[in-house]
Amino acid sequence: SQTIHQWPATLVQPVGSPLSLECTVEGTSNPNLYWYRQAAGRGLQLLFYSVGIGQISSEVPQNLSASRPQDRQFILSSKKLLLSDSGFYLCAWSVREDYYNEQVFGPGTRLTVL
Amino acid sequence: ILNVEQSPQSLHVQEGDSTNFTCSFPSSNFYALHWYRWETAKSPEALFVMTLNGDEKKKGRISATLNTKEGYSYLYIKGSQPEDSATYLCALMTTDSWGKLQFGAGTQVVVTP
Repeated sequence: SQTIHQWPATLVQPVGSPLSLECTVEGTSNPNLYWYRQAAGRGLQLLFYSVGIGQISSEVPQNLSASRPQDRQFILSSKKLLLSDSGFYLCAWSVREDYYNEQVFGPGTRLTVL
Repeated sequence: ILNVEQSPQSLHVQEGDSTNFTCSFPSSNFYALHWYRWETAKSPEALFVMTLNGDEKKKGRISATLNTKEGYSYLYIKGSQPEDSATYLCALMTTDSWGKLQFGAGTQVVVTP
């Protein structure tokens, strides 16, 4: 069966510090991978998605970047965090051949920038 | 960015009562509508994927309908139970944004015994 892992679960970082959040998927190959953020009082906002190694699409201009160094690994990064980067970050995957793109979400990372 | 709206933002339901809430979306270029349930301290969990106008899907006491011509979907919970307490998210996929879901802000449902 497939599982998706995210870490860390919670993170408190000072403004201006770097960020690295990691997501890995097990039990599948060639998944589509996604990073979402839920800011306080808002819905899920798609940040990045990837259909393959090294292929990243950015949905909104922001202070973050993503990388996919391996097929089942997706990393969210920032060089310098802003207060507005606080939120709940979710990684998700879907089967590439699924035309309707049903997504499975990881447990999430709660990021607080102080 | 597509405008996917959910109403109400939150609702409180007595155990045993039935309830419903709405997801509204632009009807042009429709491809699919997803419903997810997000319980506190858990990950969002897929409930339904709806693709055709008039679709009705059911899972236990939860059901959903879809009207793609007027751009809305209803989610119904029959005989609400405390374990139904969660935020229910809808997400739209269009023909020109294949592979990407645009989520609404969700409806938070609290079922009280």
